[in-house]
Amino acid sequence: DAKTTQPTSMDCAEGRAANLPCNHSTISGNEYVYWYRQIHSQGPQYIIHGLKNNETNEMASLIITEDRKSSTLILPHATLRDTAVYYCIVRPYNTDKLIFGTGTRLQVFP
Amino acid sequence: DAGVTQSPTHLIKTRGQQVTLRCSPKSGHDTVSWYQQALGQGPQFIFQYYEEEERQRGNFPDRFSGHQFPNYSSELNVNALLLGDSALYLCASSGGVWVTETDTQYFGPGTRLTVL
Repeated sequence: DAKTTQPTSMDCAEGRAANLPCNHSTISGNEYVYWYRQIHSQGPQYIIHGLKNNETNEMASLIITEDRKSSTLILPHATLRDTAVYYCIVRPYNTDKLIFGTGTRLQVFP
Repeated sequence: DAGVTQSPTHLIKTRGQQVTLRCSPKSGHDTVSWYQQALGQGPQFIFQYYEEEERQRGNFPDRFSGHQFPNYSSELNVNALLLGDSALYLCASSGGVWVTETDTQYFGPGTRLTVL
C-alpha cells in the first residue's frame, strides 16, 4: 500500500489560504488521493479526492503534481472552524479500505 | 437525509467483558466498515461488511467480530476486552454494488470505549 508523508503540524491565520502538503512517492497509476479531516473527537469528514487532475469543490481544492508523487490541499479562506487534523490517504486499487497516517494538525489562529 | 449513526456514544467496560457497538449506514449505502482509533493515532481499519458477509479484514485478532443485517446496519463485537481496546470506534458507510475507485466512505461520530 502506498504510504503518505505529511508535516506534523501547521499554523494559518484566519482568512488566509491554508496549503497542506502531502508526499506519496510510491503511488500507483490507478490509486486515488483522498483527503479527510477530523475535528477533535468527531468522525473523519470527507473533503475531496482526485486521480491526476486538479479538483475543486465547495470545501477545498486539490492540486496533484504531474508525476503524482505529491499533492496539496488548499483551503482558500481558512476559518477557526477549519482547525482539525487533516489526513492525506492513498486509496488502494479496487478496495475502499482506507489507511490513515497521523495526519497534519492545522491550527487556524485569529 | 440522515448520515451515519452510531450507538452508544460512550461506553465503559471492565477487562474480560464483551461489548457490542452498533452502526446505521447513510441512506442508500450498503457497505459498512469499522475502524479503531487509539488516542493520538489515525483510524485503523478493522473489517468491512457487504451483503451480510465480511469482505475485507485488517490486522485485528479474532476477538473482534462483526455482523451486518439485511437492512445494512452493522454490529461490532469485541470479546475478552483488554485495556488496550480503549479507543474511539468509528463506522463508515459507502454505497453502490461495485467497489470503484471513486466510492467514498462517510464516517459516523464514533463510540468512545473505555476499558477499566
